[in-house]
Amino acid sequence: QVQLLQSGAEVKKPGASVKVSCKPSGYLIINYYIHWVRQAPGQGLEWMGIISPSSGSTTYAEKFQGRVTMTWDSSTSTVYMELTSLRSDDTAVYYCARAPRGGYWAYWGQGALVTVSS
Amino acid sequence: VLTQSPGTLSLSPGERATLSCRASQSVDSRYLAWYQQKPGQAPRLLIYGTSSRATGIPDRFSGSGSGTDFTLTISGLEPEDFAVYYCQQYGSSPFTFGPGTKVDIK
Repeated sequence: QVQLLQSGAEVKKPGASVKVSCKPSGYLIINYYIHWVRQAPGQGLEWMGIISPSSGSTTYAEKFQGRVTMTWDSSTSTVYMELTSLRSDDTAVYYCARAPRGGYWAYWGQGALVTVSS
Repeated sequence: VLTQSPGTLSLSPGERATLSCRASQSVDSRYLAWYQQKPGQAPRLLIYGTSSRATGIPDRFSGSGSGTDFTLTISGLEPEDFAVYYCQQYGSSPFTFGPGTKVDIK
């Protein structure tokens, strides 16, 4: 069955970086894109960007340009999302989700809570 | 930009829920989705392509609309349906979500 397994919760200090992983299984990974979405406490869903594991190409939301990097490690079949220069308002649950090109997002990871606090 | 109304809908089990999603510009109906989210859980896909139910979604959930106005209808609320619902356009970047409608128990 399709699964997206994310890394665990992290606590970071302001100014630090965090790298969240998402390991897909149960399907041919190169046939789908991976999106990253975050949700601050009590807030809605915010799209951060997309990566194609087959090509490594990425598109980031304008808000995160310059601070986010999404990568695919073919040796471990894992997607990573790194966010730098963390601020307190980056405290959120970070989700990965799978979608075909132009398709709907039927499968999501369980989420990874990132807390930014001094 | 997607806006959803109302922000909160207070209803009793068995009642019909009508949730609205309005776009600031026309959305291709092939790329409009609805999600349900419960506390501590990831979003769950309910509807894609405006009106197609995702696998395993009961038929009390239905979607409709076109252009800039879309609707999610829950024909008779079950206890497990009390949650937050988000609409989303997934046709092109940026892949935006509405702010959500919370359906709570009256």
